[in-house]
Amino acid sequence: SAVISQKPSRDICQRGTSLTIQCQVDSQVTMMFWYRQQPGQSLTLIATANQGSEATYESGFVIDKFPISRPNLTFSTLTVSNMSPEDSSIYLCSAEGTHGYTFGSGTRLTVV
Amino acid sequence: KQEVTQIPAALSVPEGENLVLNCSFTDSAIYNLQWFRQDPGKGLTSLLLIQSSQREQTSGRLNASLDKSSGRSTLYIAASQPGDSATYLCAVMRRYGQNFVFGPGTRLSVLP
Repeated sequence: SAVISQKPSRDICQRGTSLTIQCQVDSQVTMMFWYRQQPGQSLTLIATANQGSEATYESGFVIDKFPISRPNLTFSTLTVSNMSPEDSSIYLCSAEGTHGYTFGSGTRLTVV
Repeated sequence: KQEVTQIPAALSVPEGENLVLNCSFTDSAIYNLQWFRQDPGKGLTSLLLIQSSQREQTSGRLNASLDKSSGRSTLYIAASQPGDSATYLCAVMRRYGQNFVFGPGTRLSVLP
């Protein structure tokens, strides 16, 4: 099954700054997904990232706030821009593996 | 729009009990269903994946069933252990390559 390395695992950031989260997959995957999990909530899809094309964002999420890069079939980044305390969440990336979809270990973001 | 619910929201049991977690989804046209485990502040660990054509999957003490026509899945945990304490998430995928829609989770505590 695909293994995803996600970093950073956690960070505490000042409001108004930006943080870039990286996900590296150990095999080539067509699509990667970025999710957000707000405190006490389940996962919500932010966007779907295909290699070579712009990411597709879900309602309520915009590219200016959450720019995504997908430069090749094994790597993707999500940037959380101009952060506010409301952005404090766990962010997870996902990709299809051999036995179902696998997830990165998550990035726990706290904005102060 | 697909909606996923999970019952109960929380469950506390003594060690050794067999238990059942329930998942319901509103749209039976799914590609697959996957059960995940999430430890506090962590990412997701895949437990069992059931394709839409399958009725159940087993792994060790875990058994997941799927009744697509009624929009239900159950996760059965046999002989529960304190190490099983976590949040269990059910997620469905409508079509191959699409994102998951997650349920809110069941928070399980197994008491020694």
